[in-house]
Amino acid sequence: KQEVTQIPAALSVPEGENLVLNCSFTDSAIYNLQWFRQDPGKGLTSLLLIQSSQREQTSGRLNASLDKSSGRSTLYIAASQPGDSATYLCAVGPYNAGNMLTFGGGTRLMVKP
Amino acid sequence: KAGVTQTPRYLIKTRGQQVTLSCSPISGHRSVSWYQQTPGQGLQFLFEYFSETQRNKGNFPGRFSGRQFSNSRSEMNVSTLELGDSALYLCASSTMGHPKNTEAFFGQGTRLTVV
Repeated sequence: KQEVTQIPAALSVPEGENLVLNCSFTDSAIYNLQWFRQDPGKGLTSLLLIQSSQREQTSGRLNASLDKSSGRSTLYIAASQPGDSATYLCAVGPYNAGNMLTFGGGTRLMVKP
Repeated sequence: KAGVTQTPRYLIKTRGQQVTLSCSPISGHRSVSWYQQTPGQGLQFLFEYFSETQRNKGNFPGRFSGRQFSNSRSEMNVSTLELGDSALYLCASSTMGHPKNTEAFFGQGTRLTVV
């Protein structure tokens, strides 16, 4: 059974800092990994999707890497802003089992002005 | 292009009642998945539908059911509601279904409160 862990559970940083969020998974037989952002009481916004054959994806100030063999992914946020405050979730999609994502518990990020 | 639309946004129900939630996927998307989010358990997969067929099911009791229509819209039903069913129910749509998975796009969710 796939298990996804995100560390740290919460993080508070001053504006402008670069930061790294971690995600680990136990079963390396994944098809893809997706990073999401969730604002309080809202749905999930897709940030980045990394296919299992890729090593990293970039979008603006966000960069996500994937090391499938070691079961790890990182989300790098450059020059953090107060608007980045949210919960960040990673989810892995299994190989050959449809759209059935397994989520980590999330990292709650607060960026202070 | 419209996103994933979930209705209603908020619901209050009494224990023992049943409830139906609706999800309209992004136009052209044929896969719809449902998730339950609670503070204690986080996000958990309920089921996935593709071309009107349930392709995957999570570890939830039979009180949780769903269906998908020919236009890809999906509904989920929870019967005999329990207090523990209070949660944010999220729907996700994707272009493809089993066996490959693709990027999932989520709706704003339906907040169900059982009293």
